[in-house]
Amino acid sequence: AQKVTQAQTEISVVEKEDVTLDCVYETRDTTYYLFWYKQPPSGELVFLIRRNSFDEQNEISGRYSWNFQKSTSSFNFTITASQVVDSAVYFCALMSRDDKIIFGKGTRLHILP
Amino acid sequence: KAGVTQTPRYLIKTRGQQVTLSCSPISGHRSVSWYQQTPGQGLQFLFEYFSETQRNKGNFPGRFSGRQFSNSRSEMNVSTLELGDSALYLCASSLGQGMTDTQYFGPGTRLTVL
Repeated sequence: AQKVTQAQTEISVVEKEDVTLDCVYETRDTTYYLFWYKQPPSGELVFLIRRNSFDEQNEISGRYSWNFQKSTSSFNFTITASQVVDSAVYFCALMSRDDKIIFGKGTRLHILP
Repeated sequence: KAGVTQTPRYLIKTRGQQVTLSCSPISGHRSVSWYQQTPGQGLQFLFEYFSETQRNKGNFPGRFSGRQFSNSRSEMNVSTLELGDSALYLCASSLGQGMTDTQYFGPGTRLTVL
């Protein structure tokens, strides 16, 4: 069975602090894709990153970085020097052979000024 | 370039009725996917259309159906509405088929079933 677990339901940090959102996935497939999406209060999902299972390199995009570790089936997301505009719900997702995407329950992130 | 648009943005229906939601993808995008978001179940994949063909389908009853037109616009239909169908319905478009291409989401249609 495939599953995505985001154990942190809600996180609050003070602006400028770093914050890491955890994502643990389960799949028996060797080929799969992992995603992160951001959902601000407006409701529209914003695509952040896509990573395939054969590429374990960490990625950095501005204040955002992702750590993919197949050994622990984790794909964690870190925001450095958080800002109030980062407040949103963040979803981790998994897609494998059947091309059906499975989302985690999401982590609601509050950045306090 | 205009983004993904969804109409209507809000909808109120009663149990037993049917509803049709519309999604216009980004110009040039041929793939449209639909998702349901509820507080209890979270985000769930409904189906994907590519070049007017349903390419993939999530685990939803047959009351949920969709179609895609030659201009890539897509509609989703829910028949015999149930209270549990109250949700935010999100549409996403991408250039190519499958989930491996970057998906751009619309603002969603919030459906309330009374």
